[in-house]
Amino acid sequence: EVQLVESGGGLVQPGGSLRLSCEASGFTFSNYWMSWVRQAPGKGLEWVANIRLDGRETFYLDSVRGRFTISRDNARNSLYLEMSSLRAEDTAVYFCTRDRYCSRTTCSKSLFGQWGQGTLVAVSS
Amino acid sequence: DIQMTQSPSSLSASVGDTVTITCRASEGIRSDLGWYQQKPGKAPKHLIYAASSLQSGVPSRFSGTGSGTEFTLTISGLQPEDFATYYCLQHNSYPRTFGQGTKVEIK
Repeated sequence: EVQLVESGGGLVQPGGSLRLSCEASGFTFSNYWMSWVRQAPGKGLEWVANIRLDGRETFYLDSVRGRFTISRDNARNSLYLEMSSLRAEDTAVYFCTRDRYCSRTTCSKSLFGQWGQGTLVAVSS
Repeated sequence: DIQMTQSPSSLSASVGDTVTITCRASEGIRSDLGWYQQKPGKAPKHLIYAASSLQSGVPSRFSGTGSGTEFTLTISGLQPEDFATYYCLQHNSYPRTFGQGTKVEIK
């Protein structure tokens, strides 16, 4: 069974830092790009960042670039999101999601097929 | 950034109805679009990929069409478990962007 389990959320003051983790199981982690998607209270979904299979390429939402860092450890089947200089507008549930599958020659057009349960990050003084 | 505009933002329908949700991209995205269903307090569920391909395990009453800038999600014969919020997502270019969501409510 595919599972994505996030952890690390909590209450943090503006300007503070937090590190989210996502532990994956039930699939070959190193064959998938991985993403973080967030959802502010009562709002829609917002893609935050993603990372290539080998961790050597990353993409970010403009509003988090330079403050957030996505990384992965394929040996530990784990995805991370290091967040710093946090702002009130970063308050959201953060979901870890399995992005597209890639073989050596091609990538799937299906993405975000599996999601974690989400972890709440609240930025407030 | 590519803007994804969904319509309507909400709709009321009865069990058995057919409903259609539209997603319009601010520029062409080929068929690089997915549809997702989210229920309150839950993670989204993937329904459609590549604009019109049904994700494994998703009931056939869900269907998607479109390419370029205009896309639709149709639910044929609405079931009680289909009352939820639906989002489109473009992954043609970065940043990936979701539509604002369409809430399907019981009439």
